[in-house]
Amino acid sequence: SQELEQSPQSLIVQEGKNLTINCTSSKTLYGLYWYKQKYGEGLIFLMMLQKGGEEKSHEKITAKLDEKKQQSSLHITASQPSHAGIYLCGALRQRGNDMRFGAGTRLTVKP
Amino acid sequence: NAGVTQTPKFRVLKTGQSMTLLCAQDMNHEYMYWYRQDPGMGLRLIHYSVGEGTTAKGEVPDGYNVSRLKKQNFLLGLESAAPSQTSVYFCASSHEGWYEQYFGPGTRLTVT
Repeated sequence: SQELEQSPQSLIVQEGKNLTINCTSSKTLYGLYWYKQKYGEGLIFLMMLQKGGEEKSHEKITAKLDEKKQQSSLHITASQPSHAGIYLCGALRQRGNDMRFGAGTRLTVKP
Repeated sequence: NAGVTQTPKFRVLKTGQSMTLLCAQDMNHEYMYWYRQDPGMGLRLIHYSVGEGTTAKGEVPDGYNVSRLKKQNFLLGLESAAPSQTSVYFCASSHEGWYEQYFGPGTRLTVT
C-alpha cells in the first residue's frame, strides 16, 4: 500500500468551482511537497510545507499541513481549465534520505 | 537555460538488452534523482546523488545502476532489461537538499 494516500483518485469539476485534494500518511511527515503534472510531462513544484499548521498560497491554490503533520490538503478556488492535470503529494521520510509520493489525483476541469 | 533534459524520449528494448538513460541539468544543482512512474503507483525513487561522484539507493534500486561522474550529468543504466522495468522514467535535480525539484520531461521505456 502507498505510504501516502491521496483522495480522491480522480476529480471532475465544472469551471469556477472550488475543490480539495487530500494527502494522508500514517506517519509524521517531514516536509510535504505538492507537485502538478500535466499529461505526458514532468512534474512542476507547487509548494512545500514543513511546520504543523502551516498554510501557503500561490495564486488560487492553497495548501495546508495539519498540526499533527499527518495530513495535507490542497484547495483550488474558482477552478480553471489550466488547473487540469495530476496533483501529487510527496514527503520526506524521517531519515531525510528518501522521498515518497502518493499515487496522484487526476483533475479535469470542464469549461 | 534548458533546465533538465533527458535522452532518449522513447525506447523499446527486448528482455535482456542493456541501455543507459542520460539526464543533464544546466542549473548547477547538487542533488539529482531518478524516479520511475507506474500507473497507480505514483513516483518511486530509484537512485539519487547528493553531489558529483556520489550515489545512493532509493526505494526501488534493484536492476538499476547509476553514475554521477560530472555534476551536470546523472546516468541510469539497465544491465539486463526485464518487462517489469517497463515504465516512464523521470530525472530531477535540486539546488540543495530535497526541496524544490526540477523534473525532466521523462523517458518512456518499453521492455518486450
